[in-house]
Amino acid sequence: GESVGLHLPTLSVQEGDNSIINCAYSNSASDYFIWYKQESGKGPQFIIDIRSNMDKRQGQRVTVLLNKTVKHLSLQIAATQPGDSAVYFCASDNTGTASKLTFGTGTRLQVTL
Amino acid sequence: DAGVTQSPTHLIKTRGQQVTLRCSPKSGHDTVSWYQQALGQGPQFIFQYYEEEERQRGNFPDRFSGHQFPNYSSELNVNALLLGDSALYLCASSLVSTGEAFFGQGTRLTVV
Repeated sequence: GESVGLHLPTLSVQEGDNSIINCAYSNSASDYFIWYKQESGKGPQFIIDIRSNMDKRQGQRVTVLLNKTVKHLSLQIAATQPGDSAVYFCASDNTGTASKLTFGTGTRLQVTL
Repeated sequence: DAGVTQSPTHLIKTRGQQVTLRCSPKSGHDTVSWYQQALGQGPQFIFQYYEEEERQRGNFPDRFSGHQFPNYSSELNVNALLLGDSALYLCASSLVSTGEAFFGQGTRLTVV
């Protein structure tokens, strides 16, 4: 079956530093990946996505890297801010769309001043 | 433009009861998916509705059922509630052709 896992449950970074959150997936058929941010008491918020025909995609302060060879995904957040503190999930799908996402357990990002 | 809205926000039910949760998708979206998120875990896919039909289903028992209406809104029904059904229930909407699912705030269901 498909599983998506995260390497670290908690990541603590200083304000202004860059953050890197990693994720491994097991299903080689996965072709669509999304990073979500979830703050306490709220639903997951879409951050950035990437399809399997790409290996890098950039957004505002965020970059997602995809390594299909080792089935690894990472989210880089530049100049981390206190407002970035949240739980981050990677999710994958093998239909090319977000029709049946498989989520990991999440990484909690703590930004210290 | 309203995003995905869910109701109610919180709900307490007794074991054995039935519950109905509601979701209105983001404007322009035609697909609704439901997820269950236990405390400290990632969301788990329950099922997806498109064109008023269940298109995909995760590993959830038949006690979990749903419906999609012509205006694309959706309901999630859970029968014979168990304590283990306590969770945050999330609705996500998308366009079937593009993906990029957007989530609502969720309904926190507590079964006592």
